[in-house]
Amino acid sequence: ETGVTQSPTHLIKTRGQQVTLRCSSQSGHNTVSWYQQALGQGPQFIFQYYREEENGRGNFPPRFSGLQFPNYSSELNVNALELDDSALYLCASSFRMANVLTFGAGSRLTVL
Amino acid sequence: AQRVTQPEKLLSVFKGAPVELKCNYSYSGSPELFWYVQYSRQRLQLLLRHISRESIKGFTADLNKGETSFHLKKPFAQEEDSAMYYCALTSSNFGNEKLTFGTGTRLTIIP
Repeated sequence: ETGVTQSPTHLIKTRGQQVTLRCSSQSGHNTVSWYQQALGQGPQFIFQYYREEENGRGNFPPRFSGLQFPNYSSELNVNALELDDSALYLCASSFRMANVLTFGAGSRLTVL
Repeated sequence: AQRVTQPEKLLSVFKGAPVELKCNYSYSGSPELFWYVQYSRQRLQLLLRHISRESIKGFTADLNKGETSFHLKKPFAQEEDSAMYYCALTSSNFGNEKLTFGTGTRLTIIP
C-alpha cells in the first residue's frame, strides 16, 4: 500500500507567476482534498475532488483551481501568485464516505 | 460558520503527568470531531475520532455537546507524545471531507 505522494517538495516562484502542484492518492482512495497551511496556522480547506469533479470548495478565489484524473491523482493550480500564497500545500486522499484523511508530506511554496 | 478553537499554542508537561489539550468548536449542525497529530519530521495523521470511542496511544477525547468541547486527555504523558496536535471538525454527513482545523497546540513533554 502506497501513501499520498506530492511533488515538488519545495519551490520558489515570483509574484504573478503560475504554479502547478501534483498529488498521487493512496491506493484504494477515490477522493482528493487540498489544504493550505500558512506558517503557525492549521490547514485550511481549499477544495475537494471526487469522480474528477470539484465537490466542495473553501473560501479561496477562482485563481485556485484543480483537476482530478481517472487514476485519482490530482493537481492544484494557482494563477497570478501573490505573496500571501506562500504556504505549505497539503494533499489528502480518502475513500468517499469514510471521512478520514491520509495526508501527504506537502509542497512548500515560497512566493517572492 | 464552523470554527475550531485551540486556546493553547504551546503546552509543556512533565513526563508521567496528566495531559489535557483543549478544543472548543462552534457548528450549527451535528459535527464529527477529530484529533490529528504531527510528530517531528512526519506527516499529519489521524490520532482519533469521536465516533470511534477508542483510546489511541493512551489518549481519549470525549465530545461534550453542551460545552461544545472535544478535549484530548492522557493520564500519564510519555516523551514520545511530544508533537503538534490539531483538533478538527466536519459535518457528520459522510462524504464531506472538508475539515475545519484549529491552529494547533505544540505539546512538549519534559523528561
